[in-house]
Parts: sequence; structure tokens; C-alpha cells
Amino acid sequence: AQTVTQSQPEMSVQEAETVTLSCTYDTSESDYYLFWYKQPPSRQMILVIRQEAYKQQNATENRFSVNFQKAAKSFSLKISDSQLGDAAMYFCAYSFSGGGADGLTFGKGTHLIIQP
Amino acid sequence: EPEVTQTPSHQVTQMGQEVILRCVPISNHLYFYWYRQILGQKVEFLVSFYNNEISEKSEIFDDQFSVERPDGSNFTLKIRSTKLEDSAMYFCASSDSTPDRTQYFGPGTRLTVL
Repeated sequence: AQTVTQSQPEMSVQEAETVTLSCTYDTSESDYYLFWYKQPPSRQMILVIRQEAYKQQNATENRFSVNFQKAAKSFSLKISDSQLGDAAMYFCAYSFSGGGADGLTFGKGTHLIIQP
Repeated sequence: EPEVTQTPSHQVTQMGQEVILRCVPISNHLYFYWYRQILGQKVEFLVSFYNNEISEKSEIFDDQFSVERPDGSNFTLKIRSTKLEDSAMYFCASSDSTPDRTQYFGPGTRLTVL
């Protein structure tokens, strides 16, 4: 079974600085997808960024980028120029790309605090 | 921008009662999902649904749970006889048929079982 591990329960960063959230996963598959979701206090799950395992290029969405290391099974999220609105729980998630309706496997989350 | 909607936002029920949680997925999406999140814990997959049948389900999704797409727009999760431990946030999600099946989540229904 696939597992997703987020080893940082909480991270704190000064506004305008850069922070990196860690995620590792375990799978025997070679083709899969990885996601980061943000959950603000409203508890809505918001997609931040996604990465296809077969793509070597790291995904980027504005201030958000990932460092995907397939051999190490590592998928970290970098947030540049942190803003107060980035404060939230961040969940790393895995999905097998078998072509069906596979459920996401989530990590336990990292609580990101932005210091003004 | 299209979004997934869920009703109600908060449901309070007595133990042993049946509840139905409702979701309206994004209109051109074909895959539908339910997840739950017990307070302070991670999000857990319950079930996925495609072509009017269950595609995949987790160990959590036992006989007390059922899903249905009663018409062309709604997707429901029924809990037949609620238990205290069913208290959680329940999220609906949907995805289209692109290979990554990126799932877009609704705002959730907070279920409180007394």
C-alpha cells in the first residue's frame, strides 16, 4: 500500500521569506501523480500544485514550486515570498495513475505559520 | 470558475440516525469521491464512483455507508446508523477524465453525532 509521510507537523516563516515543506512517499508503482493541497482555517481543500511522476521537470505555479526526486521518493513544496494568506495546513497527496478513479492518499499535514 | 458544492455545511444528528450528505460535482466531471477528516487528523479516502457504480472503496467504507447519484447533478453519501466516531468533516471531490484525474474538493460538510 502507498504511504505518504510529512515529517514536519509545524513550520514557521517570516513574511516575504521562503519556506520548504517536506514530503516523502512509498510506492512500488512507476507512474503516478503527486499533489499539494492547502487547507486554510475554513477547512476547504485547495489544490496548490501537481506533478506527474514521468516528468523530470519540476512543476511551478507562481510562488509555489516543487522539488521532485523520484529515486528518493521525495516531493517537497517551496513557497517563495511567503504571504500572510499562505498560512494554512498543507497536505501532500499521492495518486496512482491506473486510469481509474483512484483515491488520494494523504500525509498528516504540515501547519504553516506566517510571522508578520 | 466551476466548483464543487456541498450541503449542508453543518449537520447535527443523534447517534443511530441516518444522514444524507449531498454534493454537486463540477458539471463536466465524470469521477466522484468522498473523503472524511476527523478533527486534527489527515484526510482519508472513503469511496470513488464512476459510470454509476463504485469504482474503489477503502476499509472505512463499510456496510453502513452507501453512495448514490440519484440524478444528473447530485452525488450523495448516506450513513445508515450514525455512531459517535462518524463525527468528522466529509469532503466531496470530482475529477474529469484527463490522465492525472486531479480532484477538486467541495467546502465540506461538518457532521456532528451526539
